[in-house]
Amino acid sequence: EPEVTQTPSHQVTQMGQEVILRCVPISNHLYFYWYRQILGQKVEFLVSFYNNEISEKSEIFDDQFSVERPDGSNFTLKIRSTKLEDSAMYFCASSGTGRDQPQHFGDGTRLSIL
Amino acid sequence: EDQVTQSPEALRLQEGESSSLNCSYTVSGLRGLFWYRQDPGKGPEFLFTLYSAGEEKEKERLKATLTKKESFLHITAPKPEDSATYLCAAPMNTGFQKLVFGTGTRLLVSP
Repeated sequence: EPEVTQTPSHQVTQMGQEVILRCVPISNHLYFYWYRQILGQKVEFLVSFYNNEISEKSEIFDDQFSVERPDGSNFTLKIRSTKLEDSAMYFCASSGTGRDQPQHFGDGTRLSIL
Repeated sequence: EDQVTQSPEALRLQEGESSSLNCSYTVSGLRGLFWYRQDPGKGPEFLFTLYSAGEEKEKERLKATLTKKESFLHITAPKPEDSATYLCAAPMNTGFQKLVFGTGTRLLVSP
């Protein structure tokens, strides 16, 4: 069964550095998403991406964050000037078009900011 | 404000002891209610989508139902491998893409 894959599984970074989290969505999906989950808290929406542009974003997704689809298979989340509070699990998801298409999630990247 | 609330926070069952998990929502103009299973250190795994009050869906020992204000996930004769956190989520009124998640129910099934 096709699945969303994310790399790396764990990323440790010094505060103030930039990180890039990578995702390969399911191949025939057209919508891509990033969510995050701080330890012990809810899964929170960050951004959705369709047709090579951001279609929706949350108040969390400020100028520190950016997303890109650099080629036909990868989808990335860049976090600039990382802060301690950016430590979380970051999940990528993808879905097909239409109301019957659920979002399918990868297993996440655990980001630890020191 | 669109909200999704789950109860109980945690549930401990003996193998074979059936029970139900609750998800209540205050999303206006509901466009679907999603159930996911999340194992420790993993991403949410899709289980069900429900769209209309009265709709039911089943998968093995799980059955999801939907009313106008809440959804239930019924677990019949659970096994230890059903132990996980069960999440429900609903799309926000602004569109179909931004899912609002509940905090989940942590289910532990003992042999």
